Amino acid sequence: GAGVSQTPSNKVTEKGKYVELRCDPISGHTALYWYRQSLGQGPEFLIYFQGTGAADDSGLPNDRFFAVRPEGSVSTLKIQRTERGDSAVYLCASSYSGDGDEQFFGPGTRLTVL
Amino acid sequence: GDSVTQMEGPVTLSEEAFLTINCTYTATGYPSLFWYVQYPGEGLQLLLKATKADDKGSNKGFEATYRKETTSFHLEKGSVQVSDSAVYFCACIGHSNYQLIWGAGTKLIIKP
Repeated sequence: GAGVSQTPSNKVTEKGKYVELRCDPISGHTALYWYRQSLGQGPEFLIYFQGTGAADDSGLPNDRFFAVRPEGSVSTLKIQRTERGDSAVYLCASSYSGDGDEQFFGPGTRLTVL
Repeated sequence: GDSVTQMEGPVTLSEEAFLTINCTYTATGYPSLFWYVQYPGEGLQLLLKATKADDKGSNKGFEATYRKETTSFHLEKGSVQVSDSAVYFCACIGHSNYQLIWGAGTKLIIKP
């Protein structure tokens, strides 16, 4: 019943490692979004899920980034061979229908790649 | 492509001052417009929105009017409080109908 939750809240990793970031959307929301926010900037769109399928993954920067939502609820953003430039706050949001309706944001996961 | 431009911060005001944070957008068609706020240590929260021309969104004393002729959605508040100190983001949903396009954010500092 609560809002969008994301785990972990902070993740520190070394260059070249693999990381997974998890998002639990609001129950009943069919649409789920991932954004990335670098320091001093607004969020940038990464990917949009409608149900289990990725309706638009055009914002993923390269093929090291991948996201899944196998049961239409929880989503995992996966980053392979992390680079220092991947350091950012990764935000997840969900909305009821995805048709321009209000997006509710989680607190974010701060990823630091050393 | 679609874009949002908002005034740079930080904006520093005294309590009870009048606030304006400018926001302009570039988008095809009739985008929906939003202001989100991020309080220190918290996540993004929707502050107000407008979905068509001349609509006025309002919440917590803040207002913004959708001006299609000037492609603007400026945020205003008549009397700010210290508790309004936060980062404010202007955003639009354009032709995709789901992808939020964001401004860079404006940090607002209110001094007692």
